[in-house]
Amino acid sequence: DIVMTQSPPTLSVSPGERATLSCRPSQGINTYLAWYQLKPGQAPRLLIYNTSTRATGVPARFSGSGSGSEFALTVSSLQSEDFALYYCQQYYTWPSGTFGQGTQVQI
Amino acid sequence: QVQLMESGPGLVKPSDTLSLICVVSGYSINSDNWWGWVRQPPGKGLEWIGYIHYSGNIHYNPSLKSRVAMSVDTSENHLSLRLTSVTAADTAVYYCARVPPTIGGALDVWGQGTTVTVSS
Repeated sequence: DIVMTQSPPTLSVSPGERATLSCRPSQGINTYLAWYQLKPGQAPRLLIYNTSTRATGVPARFSGSGSGSEFALTVSSLQSEDFALYYCQQYYTWPSGTFGQGTQVQI
Repeated sequence: QVQLMESGPGLVKPSDTLSLICVVSGYSINSDNWWGWVRQPPGKGLEWIGYIHYSGNIHYNPSLKSRVAMSVDTSENHLSLRLTSVTAADTAVYYCARVPPTIGGALDVWGQGTTVTVSS
């Protein structure tokens, strides 16, 4: 299985700041990478797919980038509603797509 | 607007069978999408359980394959998940989600999840 390593496990930032989350696959995944946002008691939300395509309704402050062995999710100016848990997922080997361990973005 | 809603027993005894349902509303399950189950154990990351197409094609996570069964009820527009011989390691929030054909394998709509605790 492809192992997805997310860093840092926890990211402490202030509202208005820029946040960059990293995701590293253990082997090549082309651009088959997605990012999700999870909040307690809510349905997980797809933010980014195919590395850099924003899902419907996702604000422009969320952007995805990367290739090869490193991928990133950037939130250009954190809003209060952005404090959440974020996961990356590779689906290069779909259906055996694997998720990272998550990054908690907190104040 | 497509919505997914999981439901289940909440508490299951060790060695019993876990049964969950995911009701899909605002969208026909008889469409060219895969539907998936994903879980999140406490303090751990997300783990895919399996994916099913209304045509009957199914993919299971090899680590769970011997204990899991998924089905689709097109008349009721819902998905079902059964997991046998559960242990404490199966304690998790269980989600269902849609995998549209246009985005390659990402899950674009999710339910809110249902918490399952395995305990005697």
